[in-house]
Amino acid sequence: DTAVSQTPKYLVTQMGNDKSIKCEQNLGHDTMYWYKQDSKKFLKIMFSYNNKELIINETVPNRFSPKSPDKAHLNLHINSLELGDSAVYFCASSQWDSSYNEQFFGPGTRLTVL
Amino acid sequence: DAKTTQPTSMDCAEGRAANLPCNHSTISGNEYVYWYRQIHSQGPQYIIHGLKNNETNEMASLIITEDRKSSTLILPHATLRDTAVYYCIVPFSSGNTGKLIFGQGTTLQVKP
Repeated sequence: DTAVSQTPKYLVTQMGNDKSIKCEQNLGHDTMYWYKQDSKKFLKIMFSYNNKELIINETVPNRFSPKSPDKAHLNLHINSLELGDSAVYFCASSQWDSSYNEQFFGPGTRLTVL
Repeated sequence: DAKTTQPTSMDCAEGRAANLPCNHSTISGNEYVYWYRQIHSQGPQYIIHGLKNNETNEMASLIITEDRKSSTLILPHATLRDTAVYYCIVPFSSGNTGKLIFGQGTTLQVKP
């Protein structure tokens, strides 16, 4: 069973479109994250949700809106896509009250904006 | 959060031990050191973490200096599948915010 899954794996779209990436974890964790890895391979955190509440919100354009319908899901909706949004997006999860910070990452979604 | 510095790249012969160093000279007393790795085209994977004592698990060993200003990740018998980018991370210490700051990491190339 896949612990953290993301759909789609690849997403190619035109500038200006709106798209969503879905993430699901079956680990029973209460905290989920979105990271962005750009073309230079730097991996940066974007958002974090704990028990469906936003706890980390880095400097991300408000075109990006995470939505957590329940603890097992954290979806990322992106409005008015721009060329610079092209990247690989990783979802991750962890248990907030764990004694250590082990995050489990999904396989990534490669977004290409044309 | 403590800043970490790592060499950009390293090579290792298959079957030999890979020793990956990390400097974290500004680490504070209650901050852990974490190691993750990212194999090409995959999500990052947790390897190991430690505070003061050396740690070992099925994947690797972590050696932390007594002053805690540096550490070394050891892969005892590197295989070709260990080729990856290895990240040394010191997360925030004020509560478990879960915020991992990934630097450039060390690209380890294991060669036959």
